[in-house]
Amino acid sequence: DSGVTQTPKHLITATGQRVTLRCSPRSGDLSVYWYQQSLDQGLQFLIHYYNGEERAKGNILERFSAQQFPDLHSELNLSSLELGDSALYFCASSVYRGRFTEAFFGQGTRLTVV
Amino acid sequence: TQLLEQSPQFLSIQEGENLTVYCNSSSVFSSLQWYRQEPGEGPVLLVTVVTGGEVKKLKRLTFQFGDARKDSSLHITAAQPGDTGLYLCAGGKGNTGKLIFGQGTTLQVKP
Repeated sequence: DSGVTQTPKHLITATGQRVTLRCSPRSGDLSVYWYQQSLDQGLQFLIHYYNGEERAKGNILERFSAQQFPDLHSELNLSSLELGDSALYFCASSVYRGRFTEAFFGQGTRLTVV
Repeated sequence: TQLLEQSPQFLSIQEGENLTVYCNSSSVFSSLQWYRQEPGEGPVLLVTVVTGGEVKKLKRLTFQFGDARKDSSLHITAAQPGDTGLYLCAGGKGNTGKLIFGQGTTLQVKP
C-alpha cells in the first residue's frame, strides 16, 4: 500500500460526458502528480500541483483540468470525453530525497469511454 | 521532447534464465528510476540511481546508470515467475518531481 488513495477504481461512461477522478496523497506529502497510461502512449505526465498551486503542465488536453484543495486532495476533471480518453489515470505524491524525488503511485482509475 | 526508449518491449523467458532491459535517451537526467507495475496496480519504485556509472543491486536485480547519465540497464539473474510484470524506467530532472517514463518492458517468466 503506497498510501495514495484514488477513487473510483473503475469508471465507465459515454462519449461527451464529464467525469471527476479523485486522489488523496500520502499523509504529509504536499505534491500531487497526475499521469495517464494508455497502451500506445505509456505513462504520460499530465499536471503537477504543490500545496494547492499548479507547478507544471505536461501533455494535458484543454478538455482536462485539475485542482488541489486545502486538505491536499486533488481532482482531475475530464470533459467532452472521447473514446481515445480511455486509459488508466494515476496520481502520485512524492518526497524529495535531496538528489531525487521519490514518487508513490495510487492504484489508478481505469476509465472506459464507450 | 525528452524521450526514454526501452528495449525490448516484450520478453518471455524460462525460469532460471538471465535477462537485461535497456533504457536509453539523448537527454541527460539527474536521476534514473526503475519501477515495477503489476496488473491493476500502480508502479512501485525499485531503485533510484543518481551518479554516472553507479551500480545498485537489489537481490537478483542489478541496476546501472550510464557514465553520461543518459542511459540505464536492469539485469535480472536467474529470473523467477514472481519477476513477471511491467518494468518501467523513468528519468528525473532536478527536484521538479516530474518523471519522464519509458514505454515499459513486459516480462513474462514461465515456470
